[in-house]
Amino acid sequence: QVQLVQSGAEVKKPGASLKVACKVSGNTLAEVATHWVRQAPGKGLEWMGGIDPEDGEIFYAQELQGRLTMTEDTSTDTAYMELSSLKSEDTAVYYCARFDMRRDAFDIWGQGTTVTVSS
Amino acid sequence: EIVLTQSPGTLSLSPGERATLSCRASQSVRSSFLAWYQQRPGQAPSLLIYGASTRATGIPDRFSGSGSGTDFTLTISRLEPEDFAVYYCQQFENSLWTFGKGTKVEIK
Repeated sequence: QVQLVQSGAEVKKPGASLKVACKVSGNTLAEVATHWVRQAPGKGLEWMGGIDPEDGEIFYAQELQGRLTMTEDTSTDTAYMELSSLKSEDTAVYYCARFDMRRDAFDIWGQGTTVTVSS
Repeated sequence: EIVLTQSPGTLSLSPGERATLSCRASQSVRSSFLAWYQQRPGQAPSLLIYGASTRATGIPDRFSGSGSGTDFTLTISRLEPEDFAVYYCQQFENSLWTFGKGTKVEIK
C-alpha cells in the first residue's frame, strides 16, 4: 500500500531556510497529490499548501505565500517542502499527506517531521 | 476563505457514553468535500469520515457523520478507550483547504 516517509527532525535558526522531504512508496509520486500540513505545539492542524488533483496546479495558504515552495523529484518519488525566512512561530510538526480524489480527503499521512526554530 | 468552527473545544465524557461533535462552516460547504480526522497524542491524524458521512476503511460503525450546508456533526455512539483523542473537520473549496481548530474528547 502507499506510504509516505518523511525526513528527520530539524533544528534551525531564525532567518534560515528549511527543506523537508516526503518519499512515496507503493506508488509513484505522479499518482499522489501531495499536501503539507503543520501543527504548532499544542495547537491544531494548519493546511500549508498542496496540489489540486484536478489540474496539478500547486496552491499555497495565503499567509505562507512568498515563503513556501513545494517541489517534486519524480526520479526518486520524493516531494519537498521548502520554507524560507524561518521564525520561531514556524516551530511545529510538519506532515505530508496524500489528497485522494476519490474520497476528496487526506487519506494517507506521513509520520511527521519535528522542526524547531530557535536562536 | 471558509472558516470551520468546531464545538465544543473539549468534551469530557466516560467510556460508553455518546459523543456529539459539531463543525460549523462560515459559508455553505459541498458535503462531498467535508471530512473528519482523529488524532491521538503523538500520532499523525487519520481519516475517519469523508463526504460528510462515509466511514473510511476500517473505521467502526460507532462513528457516524451527518450534516449539510453549514452544519456538520460527528457522532461516536459509545465511546471506547481508544476514542479519547482530538477530532478535526476539514473542507476544501476553490483550491483552498481548511481545518477546524479541533474538539478534544477527554475521559471524565
